[in-house]
Amino acid sequence: GENVEQHPSTLSVQEGDSAVIKCTYSDSASNYFPWYKQELGKGPQLIIDIRSNVGEKKDQRIAVTLNKTAKHFSLHITETQPEDSAVYFCAAKSNTGNQFYFGTGTSLTVIP
Amino acid sequence: EAGVTQFPSHSVIEKGQTVTLRCDPISGHDNLYWYRRVMGKEIKFLLHFVKESKQDESGMPNNRFLAERTGGTYSTLKVQPAELEDSGVYFCASSRIQGALDTQYFGPGTRLTVL
Repeated sequence: GENVEQHPSTLSVQEGDSAVIKCTYSDSASNYFPWYKQELGKGPQLIIDIRSNVGEKKDQRIAVTLNKTAKHFSLHITETQPEDSAVYFCAAKSNTGNQFYFGTGTSLTVIP
Repeated sequence: EAGVTQFPSHSVIEKGQTVTLRCDPISGHDNLYWYRRVMGKEIKFLLHFVKESKQDESGMPNNRFLAERTGGTYSTLKVQPAELEDSGVYFCASSRIQGALDTQYFGPGTRLTVL
């Protein structure tokens, strides 16, 4: 089955700096890669996703890149703000199944 | 539109007891998923319902776990008898479309502690 690895497990950045979280996956059939943000006391919320026919996608301060050849994808947050502090999960899904395979999460702290 | 809701938010039980978790998906979502996160590890898939039918239950740990979705609306996940290793956060998610375009919306989770 699919194996998703996520790094780093914790990340601290100064407000205004950029944050990058990286994930790798093992199943070449995976073709959908969402990123979820989980704030304290809440469930994971979808913040951005990318499909395998696209190499990069941006939404304001958030961007995701995908390298299908190398089987890795990354989340980039620019101009970080304290409210970006949360746990971020990457996930992968193939079109042959309906379950998501998640990474172990990255706890991001933005220091004011 | 109301989101996915889960009840209870926390549950503390002793080993050997029974616990039932409930999930109410977003109205109109035929697909309902259960996931579990054990402390510090990845969120792991447990099973998937399409309406009232179990589409995939390959992630269920063992026969102490029983999930139901009578009538294709809310779902329950019962753990009987609970063991220490069952502790974790149980998430429910729902989606409208099955397959590659599937965006899953998660509930806030139920934190289960087995003592």
